[in-house]
Amino acid sequence: GNSVTQMEGPVTLSEEAFLTINCTYTATGYPSLFWYVQYPGEGLQLLLKATKADDKGSNKGFEATYRKETTSFHLEKGSVQVSDSAVYFCALSAHNQAGTALIFGKGTTLSVSS
Amino acid sequence: DTEVTQTPKHLVMGMTNKKSLKCEQHMGHRAMYWYKQKAKKPPELMFVYSYEKLSINESVPSRFSPECPNSSLLNLHLHALQPEDSALYLCASSPEYLLQAGETQYFGPGTRLLVL
Repeated sequence: GNSVTQMEGPVTLSEEAFLTINCTYTATGYPSLFWYVQYPGEGLQLLLKATKADDKGSNKGFEATYRKETTSFHLEKGSVQVSDSAVYFCALSAHNQAGTALIFGKGTTLSVSS
Repeated sequence: DTEVTQTPKHLVMGMTNKKSLKCEQHMGHRAMYWYKQKAKKPPELMFVYSYEKLSINESVPSRFSPECPNSSLLNLHLHALQPEDSALYLCASSPEYLLQAGETQYFGPGTRLLVL
């Protein structure tokens, strides 16, 4: 079946540190991959996406590369800020009989201190 | 514009009350969704509407009753809820229920519900 596995959090970093949040997936076919971010008290926002192997999604200094050979989509940022503190969800799109479902990982909480 | 709006932002209700959550989008999307989210957990799909018709009901208790009056609006009617129903309720929309590569769902800010 389709599934997404994220590294367990929380991840605690100092400002300007390098961030990696690991995400691996299991899927039939060729899913699109997404990172969503949820700031405290808010809904989910699409952070970045990739649709095929070797695609790199990027936004707000965050990057993730669709790696088919390792079935991974790790999120990276070179220098985190306090304002990046949030919960990050990796997700894939999976077609079913009726339409397309979003399959989410369990989420990784990032806490950045100054 | 990728905005989905939800009202109210917060809601407190007793177990005998009836209330409704509202969701609106003006992106011309034809699929709309209700999710339930507990703290620090991923969203759990409850209902999917496609072209104003209910496509998916993920075995949600009947105390939750969805309604899609038109292609821009989605309601969730609540009645006789339990304290364990307290959660963040998220609405989302997408161009279609069957997505093309790279298309995805866009989420609203949610309604934080507390059932006493």
